[in-house]
Amino acid sequence: GDSVTQMEGPVTLSEEACLTINCTYTATGYPSLFWYVQYPGEGLQLLLKATKADDKGSNKGFEATYRKETTSFHLEKGSVQVSDSAVYFCALMRGSTLGRLYFGRGTQLTVWP
Amino acid sequence: DTAVSQTPKYLVTQMGNDKSIKCEQNLGHDTMYWYKQDSKKFLKIMFSYNNKELIINETVPNRFSPKSPDKAHLNLHINSLELGDSAVYFCASSQSGRLTDTQYFGPGTRLTVL
Repeated sequence: GDSVTQMEGPVTLSEEACLTINCTYTATGYPSLFWYVQYPGEGLQLLLKATKADDKGSNKGFEATYRKETTSFHLEKGSVQVSDSAVYFCALMRGSTLGRLYFGRGTQLTVWP
Repeated sequence: DTAVSQTPKYLVTQMGNDKSIKCEQNLGHDTMYWYKQDSKKFLKIMFSYNNKELIINETVPNRFSPKSPDKAHLNLHINSLELGDSAVYFCASSQSGRLTDTQYFGPGTRLTVL
């Protein structure tokens, strides 16, 4: 069945360090891929998305490229800030199961000043 | 203006009780969802409604019953609460259920069953 695998956290970085959170997926067909972020005590917010192979999603300095050959959608940021501390979720949705988002288990990121 | 709102934010109750969580969206969306987030932060869809019609009904105990009185509201009623129901419940909405649609999440309701 459809599934998303994220690297286990927690991830702890110093401010201005580079970030990569790995995400791979299993799905038939051509899913859309998403990264959501959950700040402490809040609901999830969409960070970025990509709807077809080789698309790059980007927002707030974060980027992820939809790689069909490696079934991956890794999240990257060149210089993290304390305000980026949150839980990051990778997710997919397939056309045949419209509306059903499959989430990874989330990766906790803590950035220290 | 809150786009997706849920009440209550916290809910503490005894095993065996019946409780409801309410959700409202003011985005004019056609589709609404309920997700459950467990203690390890894993999120799983429970239900979705499109124009008040049930579209997704995952393998959820029938003690959970969603109700959509109109497009802007999706409530979750839980009967005979059990310890394992303790979780954070998120409501979400999207324009439809299309691949390109963004789902907007509410702030969550933390349910604790004692």
